[in-house]
Amino acid sequence: NAGVTQTPKFQVLKTGQSMTLQCAQDMNHEYMSWYRQDPGMGLRLIHYSVGAGITDQGEVPNGYNVSRSTTEDFPLRLLSAAPSQTSVYFCASSWGSNTEAFFGQGTRLTVV
Amino acid sequence: QQQVKQSPQSLIVQKGGIPIINCAYENTAFDYFPWYQQFPGKGPALLIAIRPDVSEKKEGRFTISFNKSAKQFSLHIMDSQPGDSATYFCAASGASGGSYIPTFGRGTSLIVHP
Repeated sequence: NAGVTQTPKFQVLKTGQSMTLQCAQDMNHEYMSWYRQDPGMGLRLIHYSVGAGITDQGEVPNGYNVSRSTTEDFPLRLLSAAPSQTSVYFCASSWGSNTEAFFGQGTRLTVV
Repeated sequence: QQQVKQSPQSLIVQKGGIPIINCAYENTAFDYFPWYQQFPGKGPALLIAIRPDVSEKKEGRFTISFNKSAKQFSLHIMDSQPGDSATYFCAASGASGGSYIPTFGRGTSLIVHP
């Protein structure tokens, strides 16, 4: 049982480049979300989805896009990378609201 | 506006001590309050959670105390061990009012010295 799988684990981008962070879960969870973790700022919600075809913005959505075409996958797209997007990104999934969230191992992104 | 405020930011205790981490929330729609533990290089993992119908929940050496009227909850770690050294996050979520996805506190870095 793989749980929540994020790829890649590490990535270095140049300013202005675009890329997609991948997230897949094999637990048939309806809810999926993306957070970024920065020192002293905790986990801040970027985007989330409560089911296939349904997405919504979180606290810090600017510069990021998401889509949810299947229950299993929830990719996060950086449209034009900026140094302010240097962070550790976590994908999480859960059965629904008020249930345990399962996190991936994270993607450490550096934008130079 | 920070919906879940966590303190302290860092905490150092000796082995056997009882570190206490506090959180306060504002949104009265929250009705699920989990604590997550994160080790370096790993994703957070659920440690213990409480719902507002009880004032305390204990699992092993970890206890959550919940004060609904004050909108505060705290994590106590009894007989702390060096292996408890990690970052701890409180969180809150609800089943209504757009609060489906957990809102996290800023985290507490705990170091337990041998």
